[in-house]
Amino acid sequence: QQQVKQSPQSLIVQKGGIPIINCAYENTAFDYFPWYQQFPGKGPALLIAIRPDVSEKKEGRFTISFNKSAKQFSLHIMDSQPGDSATYFCAASMTNRDDKIIFGKGTRLHILP
Amino acid sequence: DVKVTQSSRYLVKRTGEKVFLECVQDMDHENMFWYRQDPGLGLRLIYFSYDVKMKEKGDIPEGYSVSREKKERFSLILESASTNQTSMYLCASSYRDPHRESTEAFFGQGTRLTVV
Repeated sequence: QQQVKQSPQSLIVQKGGIPIINCAYENTAFDYFPWYQQFPGKGPALLIAIRPDVSEKKEGRFTISFNKSAKQFSLHIMDSQPGDSATYFCAASMTNRDDKIIFGKGTRLHILP
Repeated sequence: DVKVTQSSRYLVKRTGEKVFLECVQDMDHENMFWYRQDPGLGLRLIYFSYDVKMKEKGDIPEGYSVSREKKERFSLILESASTNQTSMYLCASSYRDPHRESTEAFFGQGTRLTVV
């Protein structure tokens, strides 16, 4: 019930395409859903986050879509660039209880020039 | 800028050794975390601390212990290192927001531990 399931494990997209990464969760007590981006040799860094009271959040070229009834959320990257090549992690936490962050297994994204 | 500093980028230890991984944060964050990162398994929470001397087990605490004697420092201890503990270890910290608006975690660069 604590798991966050992420897919695909890896993704290759042509420059300008729209990669989509999907995540699903079971525990309805999760109330905060961040996405982290990790470049090789670096720790993950927060990219964008959403709460279940909204269905979509956009920051620059990054958009989170959230489907509360299906318990799914996804990351879309518009006009993808080679510099977006990284590993992306979705995550969830129960900020109404504690601040532990549970991560998905990650998606290695490669944007072809 | 928030800074989370892990004491070593690379470590090589022998089986059975006691290993200390140190993490220091400079933003007065209440929460600190230790994760291990393995290919195909993502980030798995080992231990979490929300205050000095307080700790909670994460998903994979077996073989590990932690120490938080000061707010800025969170140590991960491998009591008797084994080869299956070869991994990338990531420390993180976050602000304990009383309004629960955000729990952004700031990560260190990681320590790649090899146990031989």
